[in-house]
Amino acid sequence: GAGVSQSPRYKVAKRGQDVALRCDPISGHVSLFWYQQALGQGPEFLTYFQNEAQLDKSGLPSDRFFAERPEGSVSTLKIQRTQQEDSAVYLCASTSGLAIDTDTQYFGPGTRLTVL
Amino acid sequence: SQQGEEDPQALSIQEGENATMNCSYKTSINNLQWYRQNSGRGLVHLILIRSNEREKHSGRLRVTLDTSKKSSSLLITASRAADTASYFCARGFKTIFGAGTRLFVKA
Repeated sequence: GAGVSQSPRYKVAKRGQDVALRCDPISGHVSLFWYQQALGQGPEFLTYFQNEAQLDKSGLPSDRFFAERPEGSVSTLKIQRTQQEDSAVYLCASTSGLAIDTDTQYFGPGTRLTVL
Repeated sequence: SQQGEEDPQALSIQEGENATMNCSYKTSINNLQWYRQNSGRGLVHLILIRSNEREKHSGRLRVTLDTSKKSSSLLITASRAADTASYFCARGFKTIFGAGTRLFVKA
């Protein structure tokens, strides 16, 4: 596709439910990032993949959060036993190269998760 | 965690005026990037300035960097209603500073 896509765009979950958020990066992009953006705040880093390898997951807030990218393309962010504080917009971004500090990140539209 | 702040938090100007927003950070950087976010287009990369650069231009955007003061500024000249958005500065790929500056340009 032309850009990074994410699905679903909106997700409402009851507290305690598991959710799975999908990211389709730009075709051929090597690096993929997940961010969490709370209302009125800037995005905060969650995790980073280079191809299928998860090289940094230091931003994942708890062990309820899990991300994978098994074939080095599509990625899924899974949140188990959702809590109200998980309510946020989850952003995915990808870059074409390995220079993650300087490559332009292309962001998807995000998934807005609301936990009731 | 977020390691810096943008100011002002909000800025309202008339179309045609210039808008200046500032970013401060606490640790050393290799480069600093500015992003724009609006409801229509999501988060979009605007410009990257390296630590050995003091100023950079891109169209109506001018970014300055003062590593001695650990600060950067973004100037938008001749603003348009379409510039209405939140603006963030970011170091590397892991940290987006603060809550951004919300710019509102009145037509």
